[in-house]
Amino acid sequence: TQLLEQSPQFLSIQEGENLTVYCNSSSVFSSLQWYRQEPGEGPVLLVTVVTGGEVKKLKRLTFQFGDARKDSSLHITAAQPGDTGLYLCAGAVVGFGNEKLTFGTGTRLTIIP
Amino acid sequence: KAGVTQTPRYLIKTRGQQVTLSCSPISGHRSVSWYQQTPGQGLQFLFEYFSETQRNKGNFPGRFSGRQFSNSRSEMNVSTLELGDSALYLCASSYDRGRTEAFFGQGTRLTVV
Repeated sequence: TQLLEQSPQFLSIQEGENLTVYCNSSSVFSSLQWYRQEPGEGPVLLVTVVTGGEVKKLKRLTFQFGDARKDSSLHITAAQPGDTGLYLCAGAVVGFGNEKLTFGTGTRLTIIP
Repeated sequence: KAGVTQTPRYLIKTRGQQVTLSCSPISGHRSVSWYQQTPGQGLQFLFEYFSETQRNKGNFPGRFSGRQFSNSRSEMNVSTLELGDSALYLCASSYDRGRTEAFFGQGTRLTVV
């Protein structure tokens, strides 16, 4: 069973601060995705990382895939109230006829104006 | 391009009843996956359908079932509802198997009383 643990589970910070969310597993993934979910909505895909060590930037958000493809981090610079939401990482294993996404436990982020 | 459409958005059912939820994927997407989201368990994979066949199944009892039609639309059914089935049920579509980026609908909020 592939498990993805996210930390912290809850995070509440002031607008303008920086933060990092972690996603860790003992399993190797073919790719890893980050989603953001707002209340009453489904998760929205932010980014997919595929190569070990890969870094992707989306405006103030920086995503990194671990060298061994077992973990990932999301760093937000100068957080804004619009960043508030539930952040989910999801790992995919492809190629064994068992393709599916395994979702992390989630990080609920609140940015205080 | 229209997104993933789930109906109904909200549903209230009584214990012991059954329920059917519907999902229309993004046009051209052939893979549909279903997830259950609860505060305590997070996002849990139910099953995946591709080309009208169930390709993958999560650890849920047989009361949870689904199907996919030739136009890729999918339905999931829960029989003999229990209070613990109260959750947000999310449908996600992907272009193909192995293309694991998932695009989610807004979900169906099921409340069992």
